[in-house]
Amino acid sequence: QTVLTQPSSLSASPGASASLTCTLRSGINVDTYRIYWYQQKPGSPPQYLLRYKSDSDKQQGSGVPSRFSGSKDASANAGILLISGLQSEDEADYYCMIWHNNAYVFGTGTKVTVL
Amino acid sequence: EVQLVESGGGLVQPGGSLRLSCAASGFTFSSYEVDWVRQAPGGGLEWLSYMSTSGNSIHYADSLKGRFTISRDNAENSVYLQMNSLRAEDTAVYYCASLWELHIWGQGTMVTVSS
Repeated sequence: QTVLTQPSSLSASPGASASLTCTLRSGINVDTYRIYWYQQKPGSPPQYLLRYKSDSDKQQGSGVPSRFSGSKDASANAGILLISGLQSEDEADYYCMIWHNNAYVFGTGTKVTVL
Repeated sequence: EVQLVESGGGLVQPGGSLRLSCAASGFTFSSYEVDWVRQAPGGGLEWLSYMSTSGNSIHYADSLKGRFTISRDNAENSVYLQMNSLRAEDTAVYYCASLWELHIWGQGTMVTVSS
């Protein structure tokens, strides 16, 4: 069973907000993990956006706009990346990541399209 | 400028070996953990291996089944990935990265396993 599941795609209009989910496998409690988020554009390596565990344990990547933010939905056992005020430049693949059982695990990735 | 630069990729036959190198610059390499991550064509991110600052702690993805070996030379500001018994499914772009604190990635080097 996949450890981190992300929707394969998401489309939204410029200026809208997009909420990307990263659902942890049953039995892995999202509360105990730092969730890392990366953005990857075609032909380029991933770029670190932020990490989020709680409001008191979070970090924004250097130079990353504040319209990118992290949170969690404990009821869904998921980490969330919220992109506010979508811009055309936000069109990219987004991956979540955790450190689990002495290994990094990446999510399946979400392709965000800005219509 | 803080950067990681990979080299050593190329075309190799199934069953062959390849050694990837990653040169670090712009920061105190010996103070940061390093990782290798790969991405198959059109695919998602797959973490492969981690090495601590001193090399005393090493972790691998279970999927590698002992075929890959990570090493580092802090005097040379470099990290390496020795890959043996290569298979077609190892075809990917290989990135070195520092995922824990520095959150940086190299540009990647392409490895193609084909006869």
